[in-house]
Amino acid sequence: GQQLNQSPQSMFIQEGEDVSMNCTSSSIFNTWLWYKQDPGEGPVLLIALYKAGELTSNGRLTAQFGITRKDSFLNISASIPSDVGIYFCAGQFKTSYDKVIFGPGTSLSVIP
Amino acid sequence: KAGVTQTPRYLIKTRGQQVTLSCSPISGHRSVSWYQQTPGQGLQFLFEYFSETQRNKGNFPGRFSGRQFSNSRSEMNVSTLELGDSALYLCASSSLASNEQFFGPGTRLTVL
Repeated sequence: GQQLNQSPQSMFIQEGEDVSMNCTSSSIFNTWLWYKQDPGEGPVLLIALYKAGELTSNGRLTAQFGITRKDSFLNISASIPSDVGIYFCAGQFKTSYDKVIFGPGTSLSVIP
Repeated sequence: KAGVTQTPRYLIKTRGQQVTLSCSPISGHRSVSWYQQTPGQGLQFLFEYFSETQRNKGNFPGRFSGRQFSNSRSEMNVSTLELGDSALYLCASSSLASNEQFFGPGTRLTVL
């Protein structure tokens, strides 16, 4: 079945450092989504990407839709304690009829 | 616009019982998807409903079922509960125009 891989699985960084995480698939996606989940809450959509090569920013977050359509990257600049959480990538194939596939998540811990 | 709401937020049941969870999507959203989230398993897709019809289904046993009403509100039911059904159950809604899913806060189900 379709699967997404996320790396790293977990990260421990110092406050102020930049963070990079990525998501890869063996299949081509037409949409990439990045979510953040705080403990005990539902995931919150951070960035949506719809075009190969697209680079989109949301504050200190920047995400890119890989040229091959099989990967996506999320960068967080100048991390702060509230960046702590689990970051999920998600991909969708062709149309809104196709279900969204989620990666296993990257757990981010920020040391003040 | 109000976000996705889920009720109840917390639920404790015993093995063998059944449970019904409710999800109200964002106004105007006609697609509702359900996910099970357990530690270490990430987000596992249960099913998706659109216009009162099940459009996609994940790999869960028949004990897990759902439905959608004409106002797009959705319910999921789990019968004959097992200890392994303890999880955070999330629903997400999306509109026809976008692939972006917006999540509710989840229902934390504990099976004793």
